[in-house]
Amino acid sequence: AQSVTQLDSQVPVFEEAPVELRCNYSSSVSVYLFWYVQYPNQGLQLLLKYLSGSTLVKGINGFEAEFNKSQTSFHLRKPSVHISDTAEYFCAVSWYTNDYKLSFGAGTTVTVRA
Amino acid sequence: DVKVTQSSRYLVKRTGEKVFLECVQDMDHENMFWYRQDPGLGLRLIYFSYDVKMKEKGDIPEGYSVSREKKERFSLILESASTNQTSMYLCASSLLSNGYGYTFGSGTRLTVV
Repeated sequence: AQSVTQLDSQVPVFEEAPVELRCNYSSSVSVYLFWYVQYPNQGLQLLLKYLSGSTLVKGINGFEAEFNKSQTSFHLRKPSVHISDTAEYFCAVSWYTNDYKLSFGAGTTVTVRA
Repeated sequence: DVKVTQSSRYLVKRTGEKVFLECVQDMDHENMFWYRQDPGLGLRLIYFSYDVKMKEKGDIPEGYSVSREKKERFSLILESASTNQTSMYLCASSLLSNGYGYTFGSGTRLTVV
């Protein structure tokens, strides 16, 4: 069965420092890749997606992610975080072999401190 | 913008009650989904529907059922609520069945006492 692994459950970071959230998945065959953000007491909002083409994907709010097929990874990065980036971040993958239903990682809570 | 509206933000129910969670989308999307969100487990798919009156089991369907009588409405039913169904429930819809373009509702936090 396909799986999505987010390697860090909690990431504390200081304001204006860079952050990287790691995501690995079980198979690269016909995948679409996503990062979602959930701010406190809200639903999920799409940050960025990889469907095809360039392996470096830019999203909203200064986030970017890189698709690495050989390492089956899709890590999320931001060069300089703000207090407002405090949220929970979810990596999600859809596979052709699973009718493209979204499967989610366990989530990474990012806490930005001044 | 597509809106996905979940009828209740917070809900408290007693063990054994029948519980209905309602979800309505306003953009004529074919596909609708119910997930539950638990700390450390992420989002897990309960049921989904690709068309009216059509339903498919997700990864954790036990203890749940669904109803889709109209295209815009997808209901999640807990036939006999139990304390282990205390969770955040998220509804989503999408136009295409290709994994992207999901729009999520704000969630219903259900507590079963």
